[in-house]
Amino acid sequence: DAGVIQSPRHEVTEMGQEVTLRCKPISGHDYLFWYRQTMMRGLELLIYFNNNVPIDDSGMPEDRFSAKMPNASFSTLKIQPSEPRDSAVYFCASSGQRGGTEAFFGQGTRLTVV
Amino acid sequence: GENVEQHPSTLSVQEGDSAVIKCTYSDSASNYFPWYKQELGKRPQLIIDIRSNVGEKKDQRIAVTLNKTAKHFSLHITETQPEDSAVYFCAARTYGGSQGNLIFGKGTKLSVKP
Repeated sequence: DAGVIQSPRHEVTEMGQEVTLRCKPISGHDYLFWYRQTMMRGLELLIYFNNNVPIDDSGMPEDRFSAKMPNASFSTLKIQPSEPRDSAVYFCASSGQRGGTEAFFGQGTRLTVV
Repeated sequence: GENVEQHPSTLSVQEGDSAVIKCTYSDSASNYFPWYKQELGKRPQLIIDIRSNVGEKKDQRIAVTLNKTAKHFSLHITETQPEDSAVYFCAARTYGGSQGNLIFGKGTKLSVKP
């Protein structure tokens, strides 16, 4: 398995634009997590899914953020409209089934909003 | 919800010395406690984990202890080496049924001086 795959690796966008981050979890995993990492706030859990269903989205900072998981092999995190304070590294992670409780992280998407 | 506190935020040791990082958690339902290592510019990766029915676990130079009553757990690295330099994150997870949130502490930057 190629592991958790995120795209794009880097994204630079202008304030006000829509940004979509993508994640493909490890096949067979039933949990998917979205995290935001900044120096100030560390690794913040934004939302997690179990069997494609959002379980806890209390970490989503504002209505500008939304996440979907239309099937077991794909998830998106969307920011609309984007703001400079959204600049961060966004990680997707998956766990469960074959992986047990360990969460495996993707390589992350570095988002810069100018 | 779960809250994880991690101390210290930075730690500097001489090569060969031991390093200890401590974490506390708030949710008594948490039953899984992993530790991740993140090197600069890379994704977090699991180095060791412990479940709530175990008090201590060791893997070569790394050990983790858990005190469920006090709700704290610690990472111990012995005979530190320069390649141990990284940011270390503790986490707590309530795993079972559809629940599976994974909450991280804010990280400890470990520097091992040769």
